[in-house]
Amino acid sequence: EVQLLESGGGLVQPGGSLRLSCAASGFTFSNHWMDWVRQAPGKGLEWVASIRQDGTTKYYVDSVEGRFTISRDNAQNSLWLQMSSLRAEDTAMYYCAREGRGNFDFWGQGTLVTVSS
Amino acid sequence: QSALTQPPSASGSPGQSVTISCTGTSSDVGDYTYVSWYQHHPGKAPKLLISEFTMRPSGVPDRFSGSKSGNTASLTVSGLQAEDEADYYCISWKTKLFGGGTKLTVL
Repeated sequence: EVQLLESGGGLVQPGGSLRLSCAASGFTFSNHWMDWVRQAPGKGLEWVASIRQDGTTKYYVDSVEGRFTISRDNAQNSLWLQMSSLRAEDTAMYYCAREGRGNFDFWGQGTLVTVSS
Repeated sequence: QSALTQPPSASGSPGQSVTISCTGTSSDVGDYTYVSWYQHHPGKAPKLLISEFTMRPSGVPDRFSGSKSGNTASLTVSGLQAEDEADYYCISWKTKLFGGGTKLTVL
């Protein structure tokens, strides 16, 4: 059974940093692109970042470029999102998602990030 | 780049059918294969319902179907059930832009 378990969310002050983790199991992690998707309170889903199977290619939404870094360790079946220079508008539930064929075929339950003083 | 356009809300009675639209442009929905739909119950993980406009993953009831006409993709939920009440999102894989989401209410 495919499982994605996020952790690392919490309350952080504006300008602060946070590192989110996603532990994957039930599939061959190294075979899939992986992504982070977020949902701000009362808003819709927003794709945040993607990383290729071998970690060599990464993409980001413009609003986080230069502030967030996506990374992975295939030996540990783990995905991370390092977030810095956090802003109030980064407040959201952050989901780890597995890419299938042109889709997100499995999602985690999410971890909540709140940026507030 | 603009997000795809979805109606903010839709509703139907149990047993009825409801169709949710997702409108893009000739550069994304109109010109690309990979549009998918997701069901999201608040507090739970989003779930893939439809991929490549019309493909239903295993385990998704056949009450859910997808279609495409020009620059618009559509999701139809037939035989509405109470548990279908949720938020529904489309996404164009070319841009990875989601639609704004549609809140489906089962009356």
